[in-house]
Amino acid sequence: DAGVIQSPRHEVTEMGQEVTLRCKPISGHNSLFWYRQTMMRGLELLIYFNNNVPIDDSGMPEDRFSAKMPNASFSTLKIQPSEPRDSAVYFCASSLGEGSHYGYTFGSGTRLTVV
Amino acid sequence: AQSVSQHNHHVILSEAASLELGCNYSYGGTVNLFWYVQYPGQHLQLLLKYFSGDPLVKGIKGFEAEFIKSKFSFNLRKPSVQWSDTAEYFCWSGNSGYALNFGKGTSLLVTP
Repeated sequence: DAGVIQSPRHEVTEMGQEVTLRCKPISGHNSLFWYRQTMMRGLELLIYFNNNVPIDDSGMPEDRFSAKMPNASFSTLKIQPSEPRDSAVYFCASSLGEGSHYGYTFGSGTRLTVV
Repeated sequence: AQSVSQHNHHVILSEAASLELGCNYSYGGTVNLFWYVQYPGQHLQLLLKYFSGDPLVKGIKGFEAEFIKSKFSFNLRKPSVQWSDTAEYFCWSGNSGYALNFGKGTSLLVTP
């Protein structure tokens, strides 16, 4: 298995532009999580899906952020418009169930820089 | 709700020193406990996990953790650290129905 695949690995964009981050979970995993990591806040949960349905999006910082999971093998996290304070590493993770028994498998992350 | 707390945010050790990173969880029921490691510039990887049974759990790269129910603790240990153990370490508690933040973890720097 190729693991959790995220793209792009690095993204540099100008303030105000739309940014789309992509994630392909491990085949057979039915939960998917989006995390954001910064020095100040550590690793924060933004949103998670179970069976393609958003379960908890309370961590999404504001309306500029949106996430979708149109099918079991693909999810996107979109920021529109982007701001410099959105600069961070965004990780996607997947698991069987909620991950409480098996844990999460993380992707390699997308390093986003908004200038 | 449940949470975990890590005692130390920054630890500096010399090579060959022994390591113990503290982790306490706040939940009175059954817990599943994990330690993850994030090497510089990389993603989180599972180090070890505890569900039930032997409270002393052995993971990869010589790491182990002991679940002490009476102390609500799940401390990570390694008898002799190496420079390559320099990383961020995250303690995490999983129970059904909740997805949790990992927080800032503990930053370990091992000096030659």
